[in-house]
Amino acid sequence: DTAVSQTPKYLVTQMGNDKSIKCEQNLGHDTMYWYKQDSKKFLKIMFSYNNKELIINETVPNRFSPKSPDKAHLNLHINSLELGDSAVYFCASSQEWGRRRQKLFFGSGTQLSVL
Amino acid sequence: KQEVTQIPAALSVPEGENLVLNCSFTDSAIYNLQWFRQDPGKGLTSLLLIQSSQREQTSGRLNASLDKSSGRSTLYIAASQPGDSATYLCAVGNFNKFYFGSGTKLNVKP
Repeated sequence: DTAVSQTPKYLVTQMGNDKSIKCEQNLGHDTMYWYKQDSKKFLKIMFSYNNKELIINETVPNRFSPKSPDKAHLNLHINSLELGDSAVYFCASSQEWGRRRQKLFFGSGTQLSVL
Repeated sequence: KQEVTQIPAALSVPEGENLVLNCSFTDSAIYNLQWFRQDPGKGLTSLLLIQSSQREQTSGRLNASLDKSSGRSTLYIAASQPGDSATYLCAVGNFNKFYFGSGTKLNVKP
């Protein structure tokens, strides 16, 4: 039973295309995140949803749009893909949002390559 | 803004050695600190979470300590094994965000 699952694992596409990455968690958590890991392995928060409401929206281009149809799902849609969007995108979830016990659980990542 | 640094960036040790990985952060107003392991092509696996009021946490051969006032955490791995080879990341949490270091890539040689 995969706790946080995201699809696809690999995504290769041309510049200018639109693509989506899906994420589902079966942990019953209230909060879900999208992180981007660049080539230097830094992980940066992009978005966070708590109970389907957007609570964190970092400085991310408008071409990136998250959608949370319910607490267990957080999808990421990217319009007009650019070369610089190539990275590994991780979905994560947590319970106890805003509390000291808050612990992150990650999916296995989606490696996006824009050609 | 919180900045998290991990030293060294890479470490290679023979099997059986005890080792220490370091994590430092600039803002001591944190809620917790979490250590993760990342294997190539895989996601991050949580190893230990230390709440801001705690000094250390232990799990098996792993021990993580936290000194908030000096902005430091260490991950101690006892009797290292080849299976411990991975990248280890620390993440500092405040109210609603986690800030990550760039990791220490560990190679344990048989």
